[in-house]
Amino acid sequence: DQQVKQNSPSLSVQEGRISILNCDYTNSMFDYFLWYKKYPAEGPTFLISISSIKDKNEDGRFTVFLNKSAKHLSLHIVPSQPGDSAVYFCAASLNAGNMLTFGGGTRLMVKP
Amino acid sequence: DTAVSQTPKYLVTQMGNDKSIKCEQNLGHDTMYWYKQDSKKFLKIMFSYNNKELIINETVPNRFSPKSPDKAHLNLHINSLELGDSAVYFCASSQMTSTDTQYFGPGTRLTVL
Repeated sequence: DQQVKQNSPSLSVQEGRISILNCDYTNSMFDYFLWYKKYPAEGPTFLISISSIKDKNEDGRFTVFLNKSAKHLSLHIVPSQPGDSAVYFCAASLNAGNMLTFGGGTRLMVKP
Repeated sequence: DTAVSQTPKYLVTQMGNDKSIKCEQNLGHDTMYWYKQDSKKFLKIMFSYNNKELIINETVPNRFSPKSPDKAHLNLHINSLELGDSAVYFCASSQMTSTDTQYFGPGTRLTVL
């Protein structure tokens, strides 16, 4: 029973356009959400996060949106660049313990 | 000056052997973790250590034992390796707050033959 799900295993976008990656969760106790980016043969690297008290957080080209009622979050990348091509993992944590529960990842391919 | 390092990067071994993976962080963090990424690419928490004490132990076989000689190191020992243990193992570290991000090592690809 995956508590964090990324239903799209892959996404292909043209350079300069918007990339939208989606994530759904089932545990309403999650209070902190993160996106990690992973290149092949490397560990995941932190990208952006959002607390459950907010519905939007922006950092440069990256924006994360949180819809608590729908238990859904999304990552927007605008404009997309070829260097953004990687696997993106959504993760969530409870208030105590800082344990991260990851989604299955979405492979983003940005075509020049 | 790598923040979180793991050795070895690749590990190929026979079933039944005992092996260890080492992890070191130089970020001054007080919490370290081990994650397993299986063949389906799911990343799952295995252990978490805070100030040398185990605080999370997900349902992993007791053949897996984390050992933390100090705050900067969390090693993973695996006894009697099985085929299903083949995976990529990631070490991570953070400060023990719910809002602090975790920094991951590059991973160790374990292959059990």
